Amino acid sequence: DAGVIQSPRHEVTEMGQEVTLRCKPISGHNSLFWYRQTMMRGLELLIYFNNNVPIDDSGMPEDRFSAKMPNASFSTLKIQPSEPRDSAVYFCASSAPGQGIGQPQHFGDGTRLSIL
Amino acid sequence: AQTVTQSQPEMSVQEAETVTLSCTYDTSESDYYLFWYKQPPSRQMILVIRQEAYKQQNATENRFSVNFQKAAKSFSLKISDSQLGDAAMYFCAYRSASGATNKLIFGTGTLLAVQP
Repeated sequence: DAGVIQSPRHEVTEMGQEVTLRCKPISGHNSLFWYRQTMMRGLELLIYFNNNVPIDDSGMPEDRFSAKMPNASFSTLKIQPSEPRDSAVYFCASSAPGQGIGQPQHFGDGTRLSIL
Repeated sequence: AQTVTQSQPEMSVQEAETVTLSCTYDTSESDYYLFWYKQPPSRQMILVIRQEAYKQQNATENRFSVNFQKAAKSFSLKISDSQLGDAAMYFCAYRSASGATNKLIFGTGTLLAVQP
């Protein structure tokens, strides 16, 4: 079975540019999560969706960040305008229905983002 | 708010030996889930093992087992017969079972080196 698919795997761009990260969750999973990993702050949840609806976006750092999930098989995380401090690895994860039985989150390979 | 603490930034073990990675957490909830994730240099986040708080029996997955002490809020990971492929960053994570949120709260990680 295909896992969570993220693209691109690496992105290097100049500050001020718009960056769009993409994620395809595992088929049948109804929860989708965006995380950011940095040396300073570790793994932080940015936002998560349940059944395509944003549930908790309290981790989104500021208005420059936005996330969408137009359907069950696709999500985007957009940064506009990008800044050097946004450089990090961004992970997407998904989990199956069944909150009550502790469904684990399955992670994609991450996008390493470098803002020059 | 819940917190997860991994007090060992780095650990080292000889191949074929046993190592234990520590994790403590703070919560006022009685029902929750705990996870250990492995992140090798390839940066994938791989689920190693999970534990339901309402289960007293410690989870086991092949060479990986946990020592879950609910009263002490401790959740350590034991790796037996360590292999070179076990070298990675290991993250402990907490998730509420209340249904109010599906977010994972991660510790800062322990970098495990395996010596041949």
